[in-house]
Amino acid sequence: GESVGLHLPTLSVQEGDNSIINCAYSNSASDYFIWYKQESGKGPQFIIDIRSNMDKRQGQRVTVLLNKTVKHLSLQIAATQPGDSAVYFCAEGSGGADGLTFGKGTHLIIQP
Amino acid sequence: NAGVTQTPKFRILKIGQSMTLQCTQDMNHNYMYWYRQDPGMGLKLIYYSVGAGITDKGEVPNGYNVSRSTTEDFPLRLELAAPSQTSVYFCASRFQETQYFGPGTRLLVL
Repeated sequence: GESVGLHLPTLSVQEGDNSIINCAYSNSASDYFIWYKQESGKGPQFIIDIRSNMDKRQGQRVTVLLNKTVKHLSLQIAATQPGDSAVYFCAEGSGGADGLTFGKGTHLIIQP
Repeated sequence: NAGVTQTPKFRILKIGQSMTLQCTQDMNHNYMYWYRQDPGMGLKLIYYSVGAGITDKGEVPNGYNVSRSTTEDFPLRLELAAPSQTSVYFCASRFQETQYFGPGTRLLVL
C-alpha cells in the first residue's frame, strides 16, 4: 500500500489567496520529502524539498512544513496565481536506491 | 542540458503488440527510473537502475523489461501489450535525492 497520501483530492482557492496542501506519511524511516507540481499533459516538476532534520524550508512563494511528530507535510503557496493550477504530489524517501514513494495528488484549482 | 527526454509522446498499440519506450538523460545521472501513472493516481515504480548494467524491479514490473547499456539511456520494453498497460509512462533520473522527470509517453492499448 501507499505510505504517503494527501488529505484532499481537490482544493479550490481564490486568486491571490494563500494555498495550503497537506500530506500525511506513515513511514517513520523516511528522511527526505519532496513536493512536485504536475501540469496537465506534463511530467512532474520539482518544487521544493526538505530533510527530516528540518521542520521548515522556504523557496520562492512556497514553504514546506514538516511535522515529524504527527507525520505530516504541507506545502504553502503564497499569493496563488493562475499558473499555480496543477496537481501537487508529495513524495517521501529514505535514501534507498528505489527512490521515492508518491501520494495520489491534490488538484489545485484557482478561482478568479 | 535537455534534461530527461522521452519518445514517443503518444502511441496506440493493439493487444499483443510490442514496443520500446525510449528515455535519455544528458545530466550524467547514475540513477534512473520508470513509473506509470494511471488516471487520478500517483506514480508507481516499474523498474529502476543505479547505473549502467544494473537494473532492479520496482512495485509493478510484470509485463515490462528494461536494459541499461549506457548511463544516458534507459529504455522500457513492453513485449505483449495488454489493455491494463494503458497509462502514462514517466522516466526520471536522479541527482542526490531529487528525481527529474521527462515529459511522459501516453500509451493506449486497444
